[in-house]
Amino acid sequence: GENVEQHPSTLSVQEGDSAVIKCTYSDSASNYFPWYKQELGKRPQLIIDIRSNVGEKKDQRIAVTLNKTAKHFSLHITETQPEDSAVYFCAASTDGSARQLTFGSGTQLTVLP
Amino acid sequence: GAVVSQHPSRVICKSGTSVKIECRSLDFQATTMFWYRQFPKQSLMLMATSNEGSKATYEQGVEKDKFLINHASLTLSTLTVTSAHPEDSSFYICSAVRDKRYFGPGTRLTVL
Repeated sequence: GENVEQHPSTLSVQEGDSAVIKCTYSDSASNYFPWYKQELGKRPQLIIDIRSNVGEKKDQRIAVTLNKTAKHFSLHITETQPEDSAVYFCAASTDGSARQLTFGSGTQLTVLP
Repeated sequence: GAVVSQHPSRVICKSGTSVKIECRSLDFQATTMFWYRQFPKQSLMLMATSNEGSKATYEQGVEKDKFLINHASLTLSTLTVTSAHPEDSSFYICSAVRDKRYFGPGTRLTVL
């Protein structure tokens, strides 16, 4: 089955700097890649997603890039703010939807004021 | 707004008792719901996939008789932790798919 690896497990950045979280996947048939943000004690929430027919997608300060050849995708957060502090999960799906998702292990992002 | 609700948000119970957690899809029908368990500072661990009108599909290593899942309607799935023990203490989160994957707010279970 699909295996998703996520790095780093923890990441600290200064407010205003950029943060990058990387994920690799094993199944070349994967075609949908969402990213979730989970604040402490709260539900994971979708922040951005990308499909395999697109190489990059941006939404304000958040962007995701996908390299199908290398089977990896990354989350980029620019101009980080303290409220960006949370755990971020990547995921991959082979059915083009959010039904069958394999999650990464998560990255604890801390934005230092 | 939230599209998946979960109840209760917190529950404390004595060892040996059973606890039921409800997951509801709001304003949409979910033939499939997913139940996850999450330990502190760890990822979401899929426990089982709940299917309306049929048996749930459990992940390897998850005890079917301990974690009973019932998906009685298109908007409600329940997870019952039977004969709970302290090691069952965890954060349980349900999830459903509408256009995207949405998660419930989670249930913090503490077994004394």
